[in-house]
Amino acid sequence: DTEVTQTPKHLVMGMTNKKSLKCEQHMGHRAMYWYKQKAKKPPELMFVYSYEKLSINESVPSRFSPECPNSSLLNLHLHALQPEDSALYLCASTLGDRAETQYFGPGTRLLVL
Amino acid sequence: AQSVTQLGSHVSVSEGALVLLRCNYSSSVPPYLFWYVQYPNQGLQLLLKYTTGATLVKGINGFEAEFKKSETSFHLTKPSAHMSDAAEYFCAVIGWGGSEKLVFGKGTKLTVNP
Repeated sequence: DTEVTQTPKHLVMGMTNKKSLKCEQHMGHRAMYWYKQKAKKPPELMFVYSYEKLSINESVPSRFSPECPNSSLLNLHLHALQPEDSALYLCASTLGDRAETQYFGPGTRLLVL
Repeated sequence: AQSVTQLGSHVSVSEGALVLLRCNYSSSVPPYLFWYVQYPNQGLQLLLKYTTGATLVKGINGFEAEFKKSETSFHLTKPSAHMSDAAEYFCAVIGWGGSEKLVFGKGTKLTVNP
């Protein structure tokens, strides 16, 4: 099973709302990633968690707050977003922090009004 | 550091024709190379990957790619295009034993005409 699941599939939020994106995998992977993808662009790395610890933050604004409660679950908490934050948010996982193959989830399509 | 260049942001082929999507990479260490496909409104799906060993890699859906170190290339091919192949294709590289960062090319949109 090489499945990464993400919920919700779609999210519409106002600039004053607080919402969360959820990502889950049950493959025993120990590294998990958040990416942001704008239309017609490749994914941009936001955060990496390795063994439940934040190992990379690509200078992401603090209105995005990641959380890794356990090795199977990754959350992205959203607060006071801007319309330009509207994008597809992708989660991925790998077996370990030096493993090469990233498995992606289907993404959450976020619209900020 | 690693980087990827995908030649051609749009490629259009007829159904049944050869598909060739070009990817050149730059890496200061032995690279791991990947092709991902993204269908509209979906996530990325791994098509194939090169790590070590055989330089001709076969993937899903009839795609294959050949790692050519001398040309720093990893072009994706499929002998006969199908309408269902229409999608965005991303080439990506990660350095051997290196960071967790997967570096993507800008993508190539493949259109298949009937």
